[in-house]
Amino acid sequence: SQTIHQWPATLVQPVGSPLSLECTVEGTSNPNLYWYRQAAGRGLQLLFYSVGIGQISSEVPQNLSASRPQDRQFILSSKKLLLSDSGFYLCAWSVGGTHYGYTFGSGTRLTVV
Amino acid sequence: TQLLEQSPQFLSIQEGENLTVYCNSSSVFSSLQWYRQEPGEGPVLLVTVVTGGEVKKLKRLTFQFGDARKDSSLHITAAQTGDTGLYLCAGGTTSGTYKYIFGTGTRLKVLA
Repeated sequence: SQTIHQWPATLVQPVGSPLSLECTVEGTSNPNLYWYRQAAGRGLQLLFYSVGIGQISSEVPQNLSASRPQDRQFILSSKKLLLSDSGFYLCAWSVGGTHYGYTFGSGTRLTVV
Repeated sequence: TQLLEQSPQFLSIQEGENLTVYCNSSSVFSSLQWYRQEPGEGPVLLVTVVTGGEVKKLKRLTFQFGDARKDSSLHITAAQTGDTGLYLCAGGTTSGTYKYIFGTGTRLKVLA
């Protein structure tokens, strides 16, 4: 069966520090991968998506970047965090070319202080 | 920009009551999904509807996709405390990449 792992679960980082959040998927190949950010108790904002290794599409201009070094690995990064980067970050995968929907990871709560 | 507005934003009801949550847009979507999210966790997919006018039932939950594929509703019959959570609709956009635009969310609290 397919599983998605996202870590860490919580993170407190000072302003100006770097960030690296990792997401890996098991049990499938060539998944579409996504990073979303969620404001407190609200809808999700798509940040990045990837349809293959090295292929990254950015949805909103921001202080963040994403990379996909391996087929089932998706990384969200920042060189210097801002207070406004605080939020709940969710990784998700879907089967390419279908309407089967997303399977989400358990999320990372990032607080920038 | 495609937007999905959900209503109501918050809903607090007694156990056993019925409720309907709405998801509306001026854009046409290729598919529409509903998710439920518990605090501190990722959303979990409940259903996907693809055809205009489609109705799907999942136990006490009934999902409907509008005829024009611009809106959807979620109806819960005889709500239970376990139904408490954040309900999110998501519309499928460009084919091929299958990006989903998420709605603003409805927070449901079912009281015992």
